[in-house]
Amino acid sequence: AQSVTQLGSHVSVSEGALVLLRCNYSSSVPPYLFWYVQYPNQGLQLLLKYTTGATLVKGINGFEAEFKKSETSFHLTKPSAHMSDAAEYFCALNTGFQKLVFGTGTRLLVSP
Amino acid sequence: NAGVTQTPKFRVLKTGQSMTLLCAQDMNHEYMYWYRQDPGMGLRLIHYSVGEGTTAKGEVPDGYNVSRLKKQNFLLGLESAAPSQTSVYFCASSYPTGKGTEAFFGQGTRLTVV
Repeated sequence: AQSVTQLGSHVSVSEGALVLLRCNYSSSVPPYLFWYVQYPNQGLQLLLKYTTGATLVKGINGFEAEFKKSETSFHLTKPSAHMSDAAEYFCALNTGFQKLVFGTGTRLLVSP
Repeated sequence: NAGVTQTPKFRVLKTGQSMTLLCAQDMNHEYMYWYRQDPGMGLRLIHYSVGEGTTAKGEVPDGYNVSRLKKQNFLLGLESAAPSQTSVYFCASSYPTGKGTEAFFGQGTRLTVV
């Protein structure tokens, strides 16, 4: 079965610090992976996606993610956190017809 | 360009009542979805549709029905609401150009069943 695991339901960083949100996947076919962000009381917005080709994917707001097949991982990073990055982040896997299997989410807290 | 619009945004129901959530998209997308979001569980797929007049079950379909009579609309019905259906419901839409295509989400409907 295809699945996504996000380690850490909450991650706390200081403003200016590195952000690292972890995502591991399980898939018997080549995966198509996404990171979405959800700000309070809003819908989900696409941050970035991995399809094929380049394994380092750049997204909006300075985020990037690296696809590592050997580790079945797709971790999200940002070199320097900003207060406006505080939100919940979801990793997701396309299971066909653009249906998504989501991880349980990681809430990013940014302190001054 | 409104994208994906959900109606209503908030609703409180009594156990046993029925209601319909409406999703409308103006992007001419073939595919539409209903997800529910619960704390600590991420989003889970309830039902989806790959075209007008077609629907299919997702991961958690029990207690819900859907209809796609028009391409731009996808309705989610609760036949007899239960407290376990208290959740935030998200509609999404997408198009069939390959598995790397992203889904576009509405703002959500917060439903409380008392």
